[in-house]
Amino acid sequence: LAKTTQPISMDSYEGQEVNITCSHNNIATNDYITWYQQFPSQGPRFIIQGYKTKVTNEVASLFIPADRKSSTLSLPRVSLSDTAVYYCLVGDQGGKLIFGQGTELSVKP
Amino acid sequence: EPEVTQTPSHQVTQMGQEVILRCVPISNHLYFYWYRQILGQKVEFLVSFYNNEISEKSEIFDDQFSVERPDGSNFTLKIRSTKLEDSAMYFCASSEDRYSGNTIYFGEGSWLTVV
Repeated sequence: LAKTTQPISMDSYEGQEVNITCSHNNIATNDYITWYQQFPSQGPRFIIQGYKTKVTNEVASLFIPADRKSSTLSLPRVSLSDTAVYYCLVGDQGGKLIFGQGTELSVKP
Repeated sequence: EPEVTQTPSHQVTQMGQEVILRCVPISNHLYFYWYRQILGQKVEFLVSFYNNEISEKSEIFDDQFSVERPDGSNFTLKIRSTKLEDSAMYFCASSEDRYSGNTIYFGEGSWLTVV
């Protein structure tokens, strides 16, 4: 199962773009890359998922280089409510998602 | 947007008692899961369930735990003889399929406090 590495914490200010990079050197050919957001005392919330190149939805973009050994979650113009923990996950092994410690994003006014 | 719902949101129980946590997965989903998160720690996989049987379970999911789909909509996690260390947030999740690329959706969790 591919292991992911992401920064433990990041700080940002309202209105800025935030990019969180995750490395997954051992990603398998069939693995997708999925990002979740978690607020305190709430369940992980799906943000975005991709396989290669770029994926964009109404809340974020996901950039995946050709070698797929890393990915970058981009949050445009963050607000205070984006303060949360962000998890990068690779593959799902039939639902057995392996969560790391995630990146704790703190957005300041 | 369809969502996974869980009850109760919070339960306090005495050590040694049995607890049942309930979940209603998204209606067209076929795979169901339980995860838990001890306060301040990572989200941990407990068990996956498909076609009325366990597909995979972690080492955490020992004989103290059991899962059941008693009817067409509910999915339950039973914890027998609870221990203090069972205190955690328990998340139910579901997905349409089990392969990478199929999104797993989580409920808001049931917070279990064992005293």
